[in-house]
Amino acid sequence: DTGVSQNPRHKITKRGQNVTFRCDPISEHNRLYWYRQTLGQGPEFLTYFQNEAQLEKSRLLSDRFSAERPKGSFSTLEIQRTEQGDSAMYLCASSLERPLNTEAFFGQGTRLTVV
Amino acid sequence: DQQVKQNSPSLSVQEGRISILNCDYTNSMFDYFLWYKKYPAEGPTFLISISSIKDKNEDGRFTVFLNKSAKHLSLHIVPSQPGDSAVYFCAASDRGSTLGRLYFGRGTQLTVWP
Repeated sequence: DTGVSQNPRHKITKRGQNVTFRCDPISEHNRLYWYRQTLGQGPEFLTYFQNEAQLEKSRLLSDRFSAERPKGSFSTLEIQRTEQGDSAMYLCASSLERPLNTEAFFGQGTRLTVV
Repeated sequence: DQQVKQNSPSLSVQEGRISILNCDYTNSMFDYFLWYKKYPAEGPTFLISISSIKDKNEDGRFTVFLNKSAKHLSLHIVPSQPGDSAVYFCAASDRGSTLGRLYFGRGTQLTVWP
């Protein structure tokens, strides 16, 4: 296990279509985060899982967005009825719950372009 | 509301010199701070962190300084190398309440020229 893996790396979709991204965290990490990054901005928090429980969701996560982490392993992020404003880099990160001084490790991201 | 601010969008430094990247924050509950480095088309890579109980943390060429009273931290890179050219993000966390959620600044593009 060499790190956080995200698939696909790139996705181009037409407006109105649904898309799903996958994230495989570092195997022993029980925390998993989704962030979104747009041009000129830092990553913005979307949602967070501890094991299979989704514990926090940002206001950025509209009703068209849903995330799951079945069995506390990989996670999926689905966007329904995509809009041009959804175009961004979607980043997944994972970390250990303990110790508290632990950094989050990021995957390479999925670049979404909505045309 | 931008709780973590990096007011310099870019910095250009000659190879061998010191690079100093700055970051300010507004939330006094933040108690853990991190720097990430990002190359184009890749995810952020962790660089160095500091807990609020310290005012300095050093790792090789990288040193992070924290001034809690000023709500300011800085990353020093000495000596700077061309391979350090990347976007650097400052991030902060309130470990007690946000369960590891990170708040990021907008980043500073560092260019190290030969």
